[in-house]
Amino acid sequence: QKEVEQDPGPLSVPEGAIVSLNCTYSNSAFQYFMWYRQYSRKGPELLMYTYSSGNKEDGRFTAQVDKSSKYISLFIRDSQPSDSATYLCAMLRTSYDKVIFGPGTSLSVIP
Amino acid sequence: NAGVTQTPKFQVLKTGQSMTLQCAQDMNHNSMYWYRQDPGMGLRLIYYSASEGTTDKGEVPNGYNVSRLNKREFSLRLESAAPSQTSVYFCASSDNMNTEAFFGQGTRLTVV
Repeated sequence: QKEVEQDPGPLSVPEGAIVSLNCTYSNSAFQYFMWYRQYSRKGPELLMYTYSSGNKEDGRFTAQVDKSSKYISLFIRDSQPSDSATYLCAMLRTSYDKVIFGPGTSLSVIP
Repeated sequence: NAGVTQTPKFQVLKTGQSMTLQCAQDMNHNSMYWYRQDPGMGLRLIYYSASEGTTDKGEVPNGYNVSRLNKREFSLRLESAAPSQTSVYFCASSDNMNTEAFFGQGTRLTVV
């Protein structure tokens, strides 16, 4: 079993839809949870990070962590064609630890 | 702001050839990383360097060597390339808190 799992998609939604992207993990020691966005033929860039459980909102994006279920989510409201990208979750046990990435979910937002 | 710069952007190698991928960052970060990205596998850590003068193996180090030349530069060497090393390679850097890594544009390597 991989430490971090994501549905690879591809996920295709109409413009304006609410998108839910999810990761599950096996190591209960993870405390820091990140979401990276990667456009085609580019390097990943950090969208959001969350420490421990709870929700964090940034504009149209909401990150949610449920440590009891070992499950994290990224919600995108009012999705736009410019949101079309691969979304990678990532996790750390401590802030100085090596980052473990999920395989990524490919998202297409259709105008 | 250059951020993390990788060279070359594309490379085709024949099996058995060697090459070095270069990476430089201008953000004064202590930590630097080399990842490879393959379809369905996500980003896998090859080597990392927590500070100048130190390097450690990641998840998939076999067939690779690294050098942390100074605080800015971290190179990845393939001594004898194999088709299994066909991949996209990313260099990244972060400050002492690894909650945000900054990535380069990637090097697309094909080994034939």
